[in-house]
Amino acid sequence: QVQLQESGPGLVKPSQTLSLTCTVSGGSISSGGYYWSWIRQHPGKGLEWIGYIYYSGSTYYNPSLKSRVTISVDTSKNQFSLKLSSVTAADTAVYYCAREGKVPNWFDPWGQGTLVTVSS
Amino acid sequence: SSELTQDPAVSVALGQTVRITCQGDSLRSYYASWYQQKPGQAPVLVIYGKNNRPSGIPDRFSGSSSGNTASLTITGAQAEDEADYYCNSRDSSGNHPVFGGGTKLTVL
Repeated sequence: QVQLQESGPGLVKPSQTLSLTCTVSGGSISSGGYYWSWIRQHPGKGLEWIGYIYYSGSTYYNPSLKSRVTISVDTSKNQFSLKLSSVTAADTAVYYCAREGKVPNWFDPWGQGTLVTVSS
Repeated sequence: SSELTQDPAVSVALGQTVRITCQGDSLRSYYASWYQQKPGQAPVLVIYGKNNRPSGIPDRFSGSSSGNTASLTITGAQAEDEADYYCNSRDSSGNHPVFGGGTKLTVL
């Protein structure tokens, strides 16, 4: 079955760019039919959708983060990536990647999540 | 604040039935999906659409919807069902996903 795994630095300095990659196994991003999303969870808090990408490269971002977010896809590696610029302590969170279905909206499966701490 | 509202905490006696609700205007137009999250783990989809369970989810989990309220019902709650539960649907404009604030379920 499809599995997702996040990777990237666990510590980022304020004002720098957070970069994470999600590797998909057991299925191909290029097969279409699904969107590939990033979601985060601040410590002890709820879930916040960041944005998604389709295999074609089309993207949609949460309006509250849009100015700082870039999601890209590398179909040759079956990976998609997140970049979040100008980070502050408020961006400290567990970041998840997930496969997204559109109608109805659902997320399954999820990666295990990776904690990113923003600190100098 | 979230466009989907959930009660922060709910409790249920072992073996009894519990309903967890999610309210929002967008639920008049879109179905909710539900996720179970245990401490230190990623969320797991338990219900999506009208009332669909992914493979491996026990049939004691069910979903329903009426007006602006979606519900997740656990019939015969087990100790392992103690977790945080999140609903998810579209925002009021239908443009992007949103999540409820989550409900912490305690099984007594």
